Amino acid sequence: GQQLNQSPQSMFIQEGEDVSMNCTSSSIFNTWLWYKQEPGEGPVLLIALYKAGELTSNGRLTAQFGITRKDSFLNISASIPSDVGIYFCAGQLHKAAGNKLTFGGGTRVLVKP
Amino acid sequence: NAGVTQTPKFQVLKTGQSMTLQCAQDMNHNSMYWYRQDPGMGLRLIYYSASEGTTDKGEVPNGYNVSRLNKREFSLRLESAAPSQTSVYFCASSVRGSEQFFGPGTRLTVL
Repeated sequence: GQQLNQSPQSMFIQEGEDVSMNCTSSSIFNTWLWYKQEPGEGPVLLIALYKAGELTSNGRLTAQFGITRKDSFLNISASIPSDVGIYFCAGQLHKAAGNKLTFGGGTRVLVKP
Repeated sequence: NAGVTQTPKFQVLKTGQSMTLQCAQDMNHNSMYWYRQDPGMGLRLIYYSASEGTTDKGEVPNGYNVSRLNKREFSLRLESAAPSQTSVYFCASSVRGSEQFFGPGTRLTVL
């Protein structure tokens, strides 16, 4: 099946830092989404991207839909402790049956001790 | 609105037992989905229902069955649980397809 590769797999943040993560695929996607999951909870939608090249912000979060339509990036500016969690990218193929999403393996964001 | 609700939150089963995971949404969404999440992995689609009255297999359907009871409710049944089905199960719904909204999950352990 389709695979989305997320990197890095994990990262440590220090309060105030800007951090970035990305998601790549061998297939072209029409839609890219970014979710955040906190311990013991379900994923929460952060940002949805629908056009190649699109840059969308949600507070301190900014995500971009790659020009090639095979990748997407998420940036967190001025990170704070509550940014800790697992960030998942998800992509949707054109006319995917049932509007199915393909998920990446996640980037685990942790706070530097 | 409660969004997507799931019951139970936790369950422990013995190998061979059966159970049904319940999911309901109050957002009038057409599509509903069941995923499983294993440690260190992303979400894998088990079954989905694009609209009321239809269900289709996802990536990992073996060992599961589903029922789209009505527009609000979509249940997942394990007929004979196996240790390999120990996982966290998430239900999701969407109205336009792309933007899926998730429930809080059911944590299932099969001994």
